[in-house]
Amino acid sequence: EVQLLESGGGLVQSGGSLRLSCAASGFTFSSYSMSWVRQAPGKGLEWVSSISGSGDDTYYADSVKGRFTISRDNYKNTMYLQMNGLRAEDTAVYYCARDPAVVVVAASVFDYWGQGTLVTVSS
Amino acid sequence: SALTQPRSVSGSPGQSVTISCTGTSSDVGGYNYVSWYQQHPGKAPKFMIYDVSKRPSGVPDRFSGSKSGNTASLTISGLQAEDEADYYCCSYAGSYTWVFGGGTKLTVL
Repeated sequence: EVQLLESGGGLVQSGGSLRLSCAASGFTFSSYSMSWVRQAPGKGLEWVSSISGSGDDTYYADSVKGRFTISRDNYKNTMYLQMNGLRAEDTAVYYCARDPAVVVVAASVFDYWGQGTLVTVSS
Repeated sequence: SALTQPRSVSGSPGQSVTISCTGTSSDVGGYNYVSWYQQHPGKAPKFMIYDVSKRPSGVPDRFSGSKSGNTASLTISGLQAEDEADYYCCSYAGSYTWVFGGGTKLTVL
């Protein structure tokens, strides 16, 4: 059974940093691209970042480019999101999601999701 | 910017409803890579449709997708109580970026 478990969320001041983790199980982690998608309170979903199965290729939404860094450790079956320079508008539940493809492609989708971890940025 | 979806739609059990998702030629209209996700309150989203109209295994055939120009649509036929949820469309937007819709709340009357 595919399982994704996010952790690392919490309350942080504006300008601060936080690192999120996504622990994966139930599938061969390195064979799948992974993504972070966030949802502000009461709002819709927003794609944040994606990483290929090898970790060699990374992609970011303009809203987080230069502030957030996605990475993965295929030995630990874990993906990370390092968030620096946090702003109030980054407040959201952050979901990790699996992509069925090993490389990020135009047809990439999000076929399994974790339960999310809440990040609150206070101003 | 986010794809445009109606804030809410409703239907009675057994009826059909359609949720629209309007973008531009840079996203929905430019690629056949639209997907749909169902989200029940307090839960993680669930993958429902990909490549505009394909269903992953396990998704009932009551759910179908289509696209015309810059607008994609999700149709749910034979509405059931458990279909009541929020629905989000998502499209590839070029340069390895993806854009979601604002979400539609489906109420089963």
